[in-house]
Amino acid sequence: GAGVSQSPSNKVTEKGKDVELRCDPISGHTALYWYRQSLGQGLEFLIYFQGNSAPDKSGLPSDRFSAERTGGSVSTLTIQRTQQEDSAVYLCASSLAVWGNEQFFGPGTRLTVL
Amino acid sequence: LAKTTQPISMDSYEGQEVNITCSHNNIATNDYITWYQQFPSQGPRFIIQGYKTKVTNEVASLFIPADRKSSTLSLPRVSLSDTAVYYCLVGPLMGGYQKVTFGIGTKLQVIP
Repeated sequence: GAGVSQSPSNKVTEKGKDVELRCDPISGHTALYWYRQSLGQGLEFLIYFQGNSAPDKSGLPSDRFSAERTGGSVSTLTIQRTQQEDSAVYLCASSLAVWGNEQFFGPGTRLTVL
Repeated sequence: LAKTTQPISMDSYEGQEVNITCSHNNIATNDYITWYQQFPSQGPRFIIQGYKTKVTNEVASLFIPADRKSSTLSLPRVSLSDTAVYYCLVGPLMGGYQKVTFGIGTKLQVIP
């Protein structure tokens, strides 16, 4: 596609359930980023992929969060046993190479944990 | 990790030039300065990037003094559609990555 796509656009779940958020980056972009944005807040960096590898996962807020990327393309962010504080917009971005290059953002997934 | 400081909010009338300043006192030698714009319910989008002196594109200008401890994003003749949050980021272009936090940015409100 022409841009970064994310699915679902909205997700409402009950506390304790697991959720999977998907990101399709721009074709050819080797770097992929996940961010979280709570209401009225800035973007919080979660994890970064270069190819299929995540050099540093320390941005993930807890061990309930995990992410993978396959084939150097699609990435999935999984949140296990969701909590209400996980409610936020989860944004994915991709770029041609490492961080400093222009990042292209997807529309985000709005997650609401009841 | 270079920390940035921006004003939380700014108001401007349509047609005026708006300057948003970002402080980054501990910027490293290989760090670049990047600005993003975010409209409500959308992901951020890249506006401009620079290393030193002045950079200009069709959207904005970026002024960076010699000591690089601050930078100013200049938006000429703003319109209502420029109402958005503007983020200043500092980090290297190459040689790896760093955990990046956009911060809360500067919320610009353009008034008719």
